[in-house]
Amino acid sequence: QSALTQPASVSGSPGQSITISCTGTSSDVGGYNYVSWYQQHPGKAPKLMIYDVSNRPSGVSNRFSGSKSGNTASLTISGLQAEDEADYYCSSYTSSSTLEVFGTGTKVTVL
Amino acid sequence: QLQLQESGPGLVKPSETLSLTCTVSGGSISSSSYYWGWIRQPPGKGLEWIGSIYYSGSTYYNPSLKSRVTISVDTSKNQFSLKLSSVTAADTAVYYCARRESRIAAAGTPIDYWGQGTLVTVSS
Repeated sequence: QSALTQPASVSGSPGQSITISCTGTSSDVGGYNYVSWYQQHPGKAPKLMIYDVSNRPSGVSNRFSGSKSGNTASLTISGLQAEDEADYYCSSYTSSSTLEVFGTGTKVTVL
Repeated sequence: QLQLQESGPGLVKPSETLSLTCTVSGGSISSSSYYWGWIRQPPGKGLEWIGSIYYSGSTYYNPSLKSRVTISVDTSKNQFSLKLSSVTAADTAVYYCARRESRIAAAGTPIDYWGQGTLVTVSS
């Protein structure tokens, strides 16, 4: 089971919007609405930001939103802030025996 | 507030067994709504699901690690544990314990609580 494909890096200026893509296959992202997104600051544990493609856990800013089209899921951060600078990982349920596949990770830089 | 805390040796010799314990506080490990599991992250790399356990003791492992992994639960102590045998340098990673919803499977569901992580280095 190959990792989901994410861009290595995405950058934007404060206040701008950025979108991170997460591309899989019909066996994972495209086949199920079980895509999650995690934010990870250096030296810290990941934090759940989006689940089930587009749902935000309680306490997560509404500047974070998720969507999916075909085999590609996306995380959009609007009104980019300095505190958003972190690594972001997507994950998906998969019908393969591994059950779960993570993305390759994207480093978000706030210029 | 639920908290998870990993504990165990930070250095393990090659070919030996890595052993970690996760202590859960602020909530019961015996909830039927969640799986408890382990995820690891090699330095500078991405995340990898290792395995999950239900409070009843049912276990599910990543096939790539299945032959070397054992996860167990002690509900009386509100703890669950990881054993990874025959370790090599490739097993050097930050190991996280975590809680995830049990609604569809033992993996692939949202991980809503994570431990802080513990770095385990495999070296002689």
